[in-house]
Amino acid sequence: DIQMTQSPSAMSASVGDRVTITCRASQGISNNLAWFQQKPGKVPKRLIYAASTLQSGVPSRFSGSGSGTEFTLTISSLQPEDFATYYCLQHNTYPPTFGQGTKVEIK
Amino acid sequence: EVQLVESGGGLVQPGGSLRLSCAASGFIFSDHYMDWVRQAPGKGLEWVGRIRNKANSYTTEYAASVKGRFTISRDDSKNSLYVQMNSLKTEDTAIYYCARSTSSWSNWFDSWGQGTLVTVSS
Repeated sequence: DIQMTQSPSAMSASVGDRVTITCRASQGISNNLAWFQQKPGKVPKRLIYAASTLQSGVPSRFSGSGSGTEFTLTISSLQPEDFATYYCLQHNTYPPTFGQGTKVEIK
Repeated sequence: EVQLVESGGGLVQPGGSLRLSCAASGFIFSDHYMDWVRQAPGKGLEWVGRIRNKANSYTTEYAASVKGRFTISRDDSKNSLYVQMNSLKTEDTAIYYCARSTSSWSNWFDSWGQGTLVTVSS
């Protein structure tokens, strides 16, 4: 199975900060990667697919980049509603695998 | 509006069985691949399995952790997805989500249900 490793696992940030989360794949996955946001007690929500395509309705402060084995999710200016856990997902090969999650907390 | 509503969760003893359902509305269910994803309490997300659409012969894929114990099926006439879970283990305790995908390789899990909790305990 392809292992997806996110860093950091948790972070504290302030409103207005630029936040970058990294996801590394144990082998190349082209651009077959998506990012999800999950708030406490809520359902996961897809933010980005195909590594860099913004899901319809998602604010433009979210962006994704990368290809191969290294990917990033960037929030250009963190807003109060962005405090959540973020997961990457590779779907290049079965089984699809998620990263362990990155919890973004309020500083 | 896309809606996915899971049901059928509950408390079951180890070794027992449970069948979860997911009722879909707001889109052409028969066109889509459908997946089950689970989340153990306080843990991350884990893909459980997939069923493709009729055009792709309703073929299925499973995670190794559930293969041989879980069976995913669908009834397009009822816009419903199912997972039959047998020989349940304590480690199957989780919220189970159904999620919509398409045959496009780039489009995985674009909509999710609210989830149903399965607790495996004696």
